[in-house]
Amino acid sequence: QVHLQESGPGLVKPSETLSLSCSVSGDSIKTYYWSWIRQPPGKGLEWIGYIFYTGNTNYNPSLKSRVTMSVDTSKNQFSLKLRSVTAADTAVYYCASRADWFDPWGQGTLVTVSS
Amino acid sequence: QSVLTQPPSVSGAPGQTVTISCTGSSSNIGAGYAVHWYQQIPGTAPKLLMYSNSKRPSGVPDRFSGSKSGTSASLAITGLLAEDEADYYCQSFDSNLNGPVIFGGGTKLTVL
Repeated sequence: QVHLQESGPGLVKPSETLSLSCSVSGDSIKTYYWSWIRQPPGKGLEWIGYIFYTGNTNYNPSLKSRVTMSVDTSKNQFSLKLRSVTAADTAVYYCASRADWFDPWGQGTLVTVSS
Repeated sequence: QSVLTQPPSVSGAPGQTVTISCTGSSSNIGAGYAVHWYQQIPGTAPKLLMYSNSKRPSGVPDRFSGSKSGTSASLAITGLLAEDEADYYCQSFDSNLNGPVIFGGGTKLTVL
């Protein structure tokens, strides 16, 4: 049973870089694609992108210019960086397994962009 | 505005049946891409409820069923229980610049 856990700062200043990690347990990170999805407070889900352990990525066109994902196979974890954040990037950020459908999901971590 | 359109809310009494629609277009559902459904209880992470249009993951009751036709998909919940009250999201793929992964805007199910 795959288990995912997000980690990272809960507060980021405007114009800075949001950095999150997702630790994978219960399976090798080489098994699946791995995804990031976010949900602004009170709003719906927005797909951010996905990555394979080989480094193959696919990002949401609306975020592509600001997003970088990476995988650390030695730690069995993958990461998200979102540059030049604004208040509009305030959201609960989820990591999830797979890229066709998403299962399972991490519990999510709230990231607030504020000075 | 989401590429996949869902009703903002639906409601039903315990024991009744409700259906949640997910309407797309020729670049997503109509192009043959599968539809997946998630249940999100407030304050928790979404949970996969249905994949590949009509397949239930292990542990999901058979009160939940999914279907797809043309440019739309539907999630039906029979024998409504109070615990079914949640937000439901559909998800698919899109061959236009919207994608590739797209979500519906979500539907709030209220059990009366």
